[in-house]
Amino acid sequence: DVQLVESGEGLAQPGGSLRLSCAASGFTFSSYAMSWVRQTPGKGLEWVSIIGSDGGGIQYADSVKGRFTISRDNSKNSLYLQLTNLSAEDTALYYCVKGRLPKPPETRHFDYWGQGTPVTVSS
Amino acid sequence: DIQLTQSPSFLSASVGDRVTITCRASQGISSYLAWYQQKPGEVPKLLIYAASTLESGVPSRFSGSGSGTEFTLTVSSLQPEDFATYYCQQVNGFPLTFGGGTKVEVK
Repeated sequence: DVQLVESGEGLAQPGGSLRLSCAASGFTFSSYAMSWVRQTPGKGLEWVSIIGSDGGGIQYADSVKGRFTISRDNSKNSLYLQLTNLSAEDTALYYCVKGRLPKPPETRHFDYWGQGTPVTVSS
Repeated sequence: DIQLTQSPSFLSASVGDRVTITCRASQGISSYLAWYQQKPGEVPKLLIYAASTLESGVPSRFSGSGSGTEFTLTVSSLQPEDFATYYCQQVNGFPLTFGGGTKVEVK
């Protein structure tokens, strides 16, 4: 079975940093694009970033561009999100999600979601 | 950025009702639209992709239609397990965007 397990939850101060990780299993991780999606009660679902199967094809939402960095290590079946210069608006539940198929546009449909890891930014 | 506007935001319905949710895109996105269902305390579940293709394992009472800027998700006969929040998502281009959601509640 496909499993996506996020870690790295935490409380950060405004301007601070966090690193989120996602451990993937149950599928050939190196064949699929992966994304991060976040959710807040007030704003619903917000796509954050995507990375291609080979580490290329990186895209970011405007709201995080220049502050967040997505990466992956296919040898470890792991996805990462480095969050820097955090603000209260980044407080959310962050999901690691798998693209449905290896080729676009199906890389952008999300067929498996982790349970999410909470990030709270507060002083 | 492509904005997605869902209507209604809230919908009260009864078991057995036919329910339709609309998603309008701020510019044409061909058929590059997906629908997700999220129940309280659960993660979103992919229901439909490419506007009208049912994801494997999704009951046939769910259907999607539309292209360009207007799309619909229809539940032909609402079941107890269908009370949830539904989101549309465009995958035409970056940034990927989601609609604001439609919460289907018990009438």
